[in-house]
Amino acid sequence: QVQLVESGGGVVQPGGSLRLSCAASGFNFNNYAMHWVRQAPGKGLEWVAIVSYEGSKRYYADSVKGRFSVSRDYSKNTIYLEMSNLRPDDTALYYCAKARGVFWIEMNLSPDYWGQGTLVTVSP
Amino acid sequence: QSALTQPPSVSGSPGQSVTISCTGSPTDVGGYNYVSWYQQRPGKAPRFIIYDVSERPSGVPDRFSGSKSGNTASLTISGLQDEDEADYYCCSYAGSYSFVFGSGTTVTVL
Repeated sequence: QVQLVESGGGVVQPGGSLRLSCAASGFNFNNYAMHWVRQAPGKGLEWVAIVSYEGSKRYYADSVKGRFSVSRDYSKNTIYLEMSNLRPDDTALYYCAKARGVFWIEMNLSPDYWGQGTLVTVSP
Repeated sequence: QSALTQPPSVSGSPGQSVTISCTGSPTDVGGYNYVSWYQQRPGKAPRFIIYDVSERPSGVPDRFSGSKSGNTASLTISGLQDEDEADYYCCSYAGSYSFVFGSGTTVTVL
């Protein structure tokens, strides 16, 4: 069965950096794009980023563009979210999610399976 | 990339039907048939319940159905059950490999 396990969250000061990880199993990691989605405490879901199945294409929400970077390591079946210049409004539970279908086809990219999330708190 | 608009809350008695709307624009909901819906119970990760406007993943009860007209997508829960009490979010492809979520709707079973 599909499993996604996020890690790397914690408390960081404004302006600081953090790297989140998401370890995937139970599906052919090489064939699926992957998402990061976040949820501020008590708030709704916000799409953050997507990385293509082969890792060369990366797209970001305007709110994180230039500060966050998504990547993937096929040897570890893991994706990463490098976050820099963090702000208090980046405080959220960060989820990784698998794309519904294979490869890089628009109709296949909606998130389906989600991990349990890792909490990032940006505070002085 | 403004959030799609959903009503904050809807409610219904067991056995009734409720419908949640999700209003966007021609550049997201209206422009693509890639609207998905998610159920989120308190303290849990979102669960995928509808994709491509009206398709159900395997294992999702047929009480859940989706539709779209113009810039507004809708999720209908028929035969409401206690276990359906949760937050529901729509999500639409918004072009250029970006996505936008709805503001979320809390469903209460009376």
